Formats: sequence, C-alpha cells, structure tokens
Amino acid sequence: NAGVTQTPKFQVLKTGQSMTLQCAQDMNHEYMSWYRQDPGMGLRLIHYSVGAGITDQGEVPNGYNVSRSTTEDFPLRLLSAAPSQTSVYFCASSYSGGKYNSPLHFGNGTRLTVT
Amino acid sequence: GNSVTQMEGPVTLSEEAFLTINCTYTATGYPSLFWYVQYPGEGLQLLLKATKADDKGSNKGFEATYRKETTSFHLEKGSVQVSDSAVYFCAPNTGNQFYFGTGTSLTVIP
Repeated sequence: NAGVTQTPKFQVLKTGQSMTLQCAQDMNHEYMSWYRQDPGMGLRLIHYSVGAGITDQGEVPNGYNVSRSTTEDFPLRLLSAAPSQTSVYFCASSYSGGKYNSPLHFGNGTRLTVT
Repeated sequence: GNSVTQMEGPVTLSEEAFLTINCTYTATGYPSLFWYVQYPGEGLQLLLKATKADDKGSNKGFEATYRKETTSFHLEKGSVQVSDSAVYFCAPNTGNQFYFGTGTSLTVIP
C-alpha cells in the first residue's frame, strides 16, 4: 500500500531557483494539503485542496503555489526559493477534510535546504 | 481562530513510567480532537482521536479524553516503552484546516 508518496526526499536549492515538490496519493482522498515543519513551530498549513480544481490558502502561503488537476496529485511549487523556505515539507491527505472527522495521512516528507 | 497549547518538551522517562502530555486548545465550533505521533525520519501518523465531549480515544496503550469544559485533550499512557520514543502532536480540527501543537518530544530510556 503506497498511501501518500512524496518526492524528492532531499533537495538543495540556491536562492532564486524554482522547483516543484511532488505529492501523490492512491486512496482516492478528496482532501490534500501541504505543511511545513520548523523547529519549535510545529506544523503550519501552506495550501490545501478539497477536490480536483479547488485550492485554498492556509496559514503561510506566500512564496508557494499549488494546483490540483487530478484527485491523486497535489504538487507544491516554489517560484523563487529563499533561505526562509528551508524546512521539512509534508503532504497529507484525508478522505473528506473536515467532514466526517477523517484523519490525515502523511507522506514521509521532503527536506529542503535553500542556500 | 483555532490554536493549540501543548506541553513543552523534551520529556525523558524511564521504561514503565507513567506518561502525561498536556494539550489545551481554543477552537471555533465543535472540533474533533486528534493525537498524532512522529517517529524519527517519518511523517506523522494518527495515534488516536475523539469526536465528541467525554469520548475517550485509545490505541497502543495510549488514551485521551475529550474534555469540553476545560478544552483539553491530555495524552496518557500507564507504562511507556523504549519504542514509544517519538514526537507527539495534539491537533484539533474544525472545517478544512487542521491545527497542530508544537509537538512534545518523548525519550524513553531502558
């Protein structure tokens, strides 16, 4: 069972470069989301989606773009990387988001360093 | 808005000791409450949940009771094991945004 798959596991970027973090789930979940995890700050929501074609901003969306063209995939794009975006990024999905109390299923994370 | 206050860590316990990790929250509406656990190098995974007042969630010997009057959801385990060493996150949920505490790191020593 694949669950939520994130690629790459590690990435180093130079300031100003762009890249896309990939996230795919095979559970037919409606809801997908991206978090960043920083020491002492827990997890903070970047963007989320409640279905294909629908996205919305979370707590810390600046510097990131998302799209949801299929149910399975939810890529996160960094348009012009900055050192402040050095973090561990997690993709998570759930059956229905806030409806029906369904929990989140997480990928194993992408560790991004911006120099 | 929603927020979570979680017990500061790190916490170090000897094997078979009793564990409590405190969690209090503020939320609009009537949240569902979750505890997640993160083992080293992995993503978070659901530990237990409770969806209404006085419900008790339980899993792997861990328990937490939904206390609406005190807006708390404290995590407890009667006898911890070395394999319980991990980071624990409290997470209330209302609507489409899940909120996480800062996490409490637990180390259990033999």
